[in-house]
Amino acid sequence: DTGVSQNPRHKITKRGQNVTFRCDPISEHNRLYWYRQTLGQGPEFLTYFQNEAQLEKSRLLSDRFSAERPKGSFSTLEIQRTEQGDSAMYLCASRTDISYNEQFFGPGTRLTVL
Amino acid sequence: GENVEQHPSTLSVQEGDSAVIKCTYSDSASNYFPWYKQELGKRPQLIIDIRSNVGEKKDQRIAVTLNKTAKHFSLHITETQPEDSAVYFCAAIPNSGYSTLTFGKGTMLLVSP
Repeated sequence: DTGVSQNPRHKITKRGQNVTFRCDPISEHNRLYWYRQTLGQGPEFLTYFQNEAQLEKSRLLSDRFSAERPKGSFSTLEIQRTEQGDSAMYLCASRTDISYNEQFFGPGTRLTVL
Repeated sequence: GENVEQHPSTLSVQEGDSAVIKCTYSDSASNYFPWYKQELGKRPQLIIDIRSNVGEKKDQRIAVTLNKTAKHFSLHITETQPEDSAVYFCAAIPNSGYSTLTFGKGTMLLVSP
């Protein structure tokens, strides 16, 4: 499968624990996006990378959230001191530099904070 | 920032009927409008998109129209089939920034056989 992959697919954690998710974009895609989707809502933008540079962060991204893309390939999203309100589907998407090019989404990581 | 409103939130049709989903956007600088289909438990997938220099685009049973003056765009599905049942999201990308998508809240389309 040459699409965007995400791991783990599901994560259940207790409030206060730290979690880390991984996204592997399509290999030639240098743009990578993280979104969060809660039940009954559309995906909401969290952060954007162009290669290894994090160029944009949403105000939704509190200081408990951090994202990296150290080598411009895979990316990780870490949530520290998780709260019940962090429960959501975390989606990763990637695309090329070509204008208006489609963003390809991964299957998402569903986080449940107990 | 951009704000995208989507209506209706739920749409039920009989197989063979047409379905129309409407979205409005707030940022007049937005210039790209994709539509994504998300089946239950699956990833969003692009089904059609339109750029701001085009008023209408068709792909088989699916069409999208754009009215830049009114800042609204619509998805039209003709001859609906049960496999069209899914949640559909409209989105907009402003002309500035890094092409981050602003999504509507989604429309759950139910096509009954």
